[in-house]
Amino acid sequence: SQELEQSPQSLIVQEGKNLTINCTSSKTLYGLYWYKQKYGEGLIFLMMLQKGGEEKSHEKITAKLDEKKQQSSLHITASQPSHAGIYLCGAALWGKLIFGQGTELSVKP
Amino acid sequence: NAGVTQTPKFRVLKTGQSMTLLCAQDMNHEYMYWYRQDPGMGLRLIHYSVGEGTTAKGEVPDGYNVSRLKKQNFLLGLESAAPSQTSVYFCASSAGTGDYNEQFFGPGTRLTVL
Repeated sequence: SQELEQSPQSLIVQEGKNLTINCTSSKTLYGLYWYKQKYGEGLIFLMMLQKGGEEKSHEKITAKLDEKKQQSSLHITASQPSHAGIYLCGAALWGKLIFGQGTELSVKP
Repeated sequence: NAGVTQTPKFRVLKTGQSMTLLCAQDMNHEYMYWYRQDPGMGLRLIHYSVGEGTTAKGEVPDGYNVSRLKKQNFLLGLESAAPSQTSVYFCASSAGTGDYNEQFFGPGTRLTVL
């Protein structure tokens, strides 16, 4: 079965600093989704990557999928308190999503 | 459009009680999912449905039953609640298995079993 490992599990950064969250798969990824969850709320879709080497950006968040399609990274530039929350990666598998355990991000003002 | 809605938002049960969680979507999606979220474990798939009248088991189906009698609704039932089922439950829906299969999530139901 496919498993996703996220690192780090939690992260505290000073406002304005850059940060990276990693998502590593035990098998080749055929679709990798990034979601953000604010505390006590549902998940909000950020980006989806499919091709090896693909990179997408939305505002100050950039996600990449490596050439071998087994690792993805999410990079936030100049973090803000609004970036705080839990970030989850999900691997597409026959119409389902298998999620990593999540990375909890705190941004100190 | 309301998107994906869940009822109720909060619930406290005693061990052995039963309850049903309701999920509704107004996007005409074929696929619907029930997840549970526990600290440090991400989201785990309980059951899912690929269309009206169909259901299938996910990663952690034991102790739960589901029904999809109408395309827009997906019900999650707990016949005899146990403390291990204390969790936050999320429902999601998606259009299907195409190349782009974004799942849309509801706001969650926080369930406590005493």
